[in-house]
Amino acid sequence: GQNIDQPTEMTATEGAIVQINCTYQTSGFNGLFWYQQHAGEAPTFLSYNVLDGLEEKGRFSSFLSRSKGYSYLLLKELQMKDSASYLCAHQDRGYQKVTFGTGTKLQVIP
Amino acid sequence: GAGVSQSPSNKVTEKGKDVELRCDPISGHTALYWYRQSLGQGLEFLIYFQGNSAPDKSGLPSDRFSAERTGGSVSTLTIQRTQQEDSAVYLCASRGTGGDSYEQYFGPGTRLTVT
Repeated sequence: GQNIDQPTEMTATEGAIVQINCTYQTSGFNGLFWYQQHAGEAPTFLSYNVLDGLEEKGRFSSFLSRSKGYSYLLLKELQMKDSASYLCAHQDRGYQKVTFGTGTKLQVIP
Repeated sequence: GAGVSQSPSNKVTEKGKDVELRCDPISGHTALYWYRQSLGQGLEFLIYFQGNSAPDKSGLPSDRFSAERTGGSVSTLTIQRTQQEDSAVYLCASRGTGGDSYEQYFGPGTRLTVT
């Protein structure tokens, strides 16, 4: 996505915590998504933030700050199976187009 | 009750040929999206259908690309006179309606290779 920025790659250790950041530039949107995509597979939904703040869901949490144009995905107690790409996306107002970032490839190492 | 399905799963075609990719969304889902994903890249929006409204075609890369959605269900993405740069995985996703229906459900994709 032209107006969504994420780090290209990250490496973290099994059992640790990792934060994947996403910054965006848009005049307005309904909400911000995070999707997980394992190599060779389709993306699967992780979270959707509409309001500012932190949303926690098990080992995964997602944060949004509209005023700062910033979001992050926090993964706790990393497992090897968490090695995947993590895609940030925003949904335009009126539930129209969803624009994805290029994704962050996370490698979890022992 | 199955998820989004796409066919074919793989398609190899010669440069200059036309191809049709099919997407069967989840029953009852009114919103349908097509994306393209090149190797190691993010998802590139192509087109969006919502019910009987005119589709949002703003992501189609050229006039060789077109899509239809018949009867508000099955969708076909057609690429005419394919080029090697069209090689990618084409993903379809559907979404329900209602205030809390924001999640897109993706199909397995069609891997298109243009030789």
